Amino acid sequence: AQSVTQLDSQVPVFEEAPVELRCNYSSSVSVYLFWYVQYPNQGLQLLLKYLSGSTLVESINGFEAEFNKSQTSFHLRKPSVHISDTAEYFCAVSVGGGGNKLTFGTGTQLKVEL
Amino acid sequence: NAGVTQTPKFRILKIGQSMTLQCTQDMNHNYMYWYRQDPGMGLKLIYYSVGAGITDKGEVPNGYNVSRSTTEDFPLRLELAAPSQTSVYFCASKTKYEQYFGPGTRLTVT
Repeated sequence: AQSVTQLDSQVPVFEEAPVELRCNYSSSVSVYLFWYVQYPNQGLQLLLKYLSGSTLVESINGFEAEFNKSQTSFHLRKPSVHISDTAEYFCAVSVGGGGNKLTFGTGTQLKVEL
Repeated sequence: NAGVTQTPKFRILKIGQSMTLQCTQDMNHNYMYWYRQDPGMGLKLIYYSVGAGITDKGEVPNGYNVSRSTTEDFPLRLELAAPSQTSVYFCASKTKYEQYFGPGTRLTVT
């Protein structure tokens, strides 16, 4: 079975500073990797995904994540955060088959301060 | 398209009561899922369905039941509510790779 670890439960950062949210996974087979964002009192929205090909994937709002197979990581980065990026971020893994179920990490609360 | 809709948004139940959480999607997705979200725990899969008439257990199915009579609807049933079922419940449907989530139902059992 696969698992996802998000070591940082909270990450405070000042506006316009860079940020990295860490995600590590374990799986014995090839994986698909996802980052979801959850704004207060809302459902989850897909931020970006890695399926295959280029190991660096980008979102439309400036986030990027890099798939590192040797370190089994999929860290999320943004070079300059905005107040509106304040949200909870979930890393998730899927191995396909069996309903393509997602396994989620416990989430990282990103709090951007002025 | 409305996407994935869930009703109700909020509900308070007494211990032992039953209720059904409704989930409907209008994207013609075959795959649908029910999750619960507890603080600091991420999302845990309760049940899922790969198409009408087919359902299967997820990680935390005890105390819940589901049915899938149509592609659009995937209701979640709580038969005997317990305080441990206090949580936020999310329904999702899936394209080939991406899951689309509903806005959630916040349930409190007292």
